[in-house]
Amino acid sequence: AQKVTQAQTEISVVEKEDVTLDCVYETRDTTYYLFWYKQPPSGELVFLIRRNSFDEQNEISGRYSWNFQKSTSSFNFTITASQVVDSAVYFCALSALIGGGADGLTFGKGTHLIIQP
Amino acid sequence: DTAVSQTPKYLVTQMGNDKSIKCEQNLGHDTMYWYKQDSKKFLKIMFSYNNKELIINETVPNRFSPKSPDKAHLNLHINSLELGDSAVYFCVSSEGTLMFYGYTFGSGTRLTVV
Repeated sequence: AQKVTQAQTEISVVEKEDVTLDCVYETRDTTYYLFWYKQPPSGELVFLIRRNSFDEQNEISGRYSWNFQKSTSSFNFTITASQVVDSAVYFCALSALIGGGADGLTFGKGTHLIIQP
Repeated sequence: DTAVSQTPKYLVTQMGNDKSIKCEQNLGHDTMYWYKQDSKKFLKIMFSYNNKELIINETVPNRFSPKSPDKAHLNLHINSLELGDSAVYFCVSSEGTLMFYGYTFGSGTRLTVV
């Protein structure tokens, strides 16, 4: 079975601090995809990144960066110089091929990030 | 043009009623899903359809019945609504069942059962 663990339920930091959101996953499959989504207070799910299991390169997009380490089954997300607009619930998710058909996305329970001005 | 549109956005109804949530995607995707987000924000897959055929049916009460009249539509009908059905329901589409396809989420339907 697949599992995604986001151990941090809630993180609160002051604006301009850097913050890292942790994600640990479990899957039997050797080929899989990892995702991060942002859910702002308005409720929609905003896609941030997708990374396949064969690509362990770190990725940077503006103030966002992602660290994928297969050795520790982790896909952590760092926001540099956080801003109030970054306040949201962030979800890590996994998609793997099981039984010949996609199992959709398995989500972690989310980390509620609060950026205080 | 909204890629994955759900209607209604908000739905308030009494216990015992039957209601439907509609979903349409204009992306030409083959696969559509329903996800439920409960009050603790936990997101879990309920159903998936590929080209109108049911692929995944997670442990969901049989009061929930998805219907896919064509591959662009996946509606969710719920009978005898209960308080515990209150949640946000997301419709999602994907090009296919293979995992390397991305997923496009609708904006969600907030269902409140009173």
